[in-house]
Amino acid sequence: NAGVMQNPRHLVRRRGQEARLRCSPMKGHSHVYWYRQLPEEGLKFMVYLQKENIIDESGMPKERFSAEFPKEGPSILRIQQVVRGDSAAYFCASSPPGGGVNTGELFFGEGSRLTVL
Amino acid sequence: SQQGEEDPQALSIQEGENATMNCSYKTSINNLQWYRQNSGRGLVHLILIRSNEREKHSGRLRVTLDTSKKSSSLLITASRAADTASYFCATDASGAQKLVFGQGTRLTINP
Repeated sequence: NAGVMQNPRHLVRRRGQEARLRCSPMKGHSHVYWYRQLPEEGLKFMVYLQKENIIDESGMPKERFSAEFPKEGPSILRIQQVVRGDSAAYFCASSPPGGGVNTGELFFGEGSRLTVL
Repeated sequence: SQQGEEDPQALSIQEGENATMNCSYKTSINNLQWYRQNSGRGLVHLILIRSNEREKHSGRLRVTLDTSKKSSSLLITASRAADTASYFCATDASGAQKLVFGQGTRLTINP
């Protein structure tokens, strides 16, 4: 059973371009979470999605950031018109139905490291 | 403000010694979790302790929780070079499906 797959692992963008980060959850997992980690800091929650639904986006910046988890395919975190402050590692986690924060069944991917020039 | 804060920020010890890391948080919780992150990698779940538990063991790991002081500690006994990593505590936030992480403790085990 493959783990949570994120790609690309590294992405370089110039200011003003768009960044798309993809996350394929573990097999059988229907819940996806995105977190952002700035250098030398802990992870900060961004958004929690289930298939075709955004459940909690309280950590998402109001502008330029969006996330989706379609019925088919991976979850996508999209950052439009990137700025230098968007440079960070973006981690995706997935959990099975009934799992997640309450049970510790939260499995993280290796992250996508975005560098904005 | 940050929910969990770890102490110390960095810790360097000799292989075989015990390592203790502390975490404090601000609001009431249902559970507290500890994660490990190797450099440039994702997070690995180590252990979860519920608010009604005071101590939990898993292999060489021992976690304590004091809800009256809103603090937790992670003890790694008989440390190994492979334990070199950053360790984060995380708490659930008001029953929502999101974790609030501390800034982590960078642990270095010297051979």
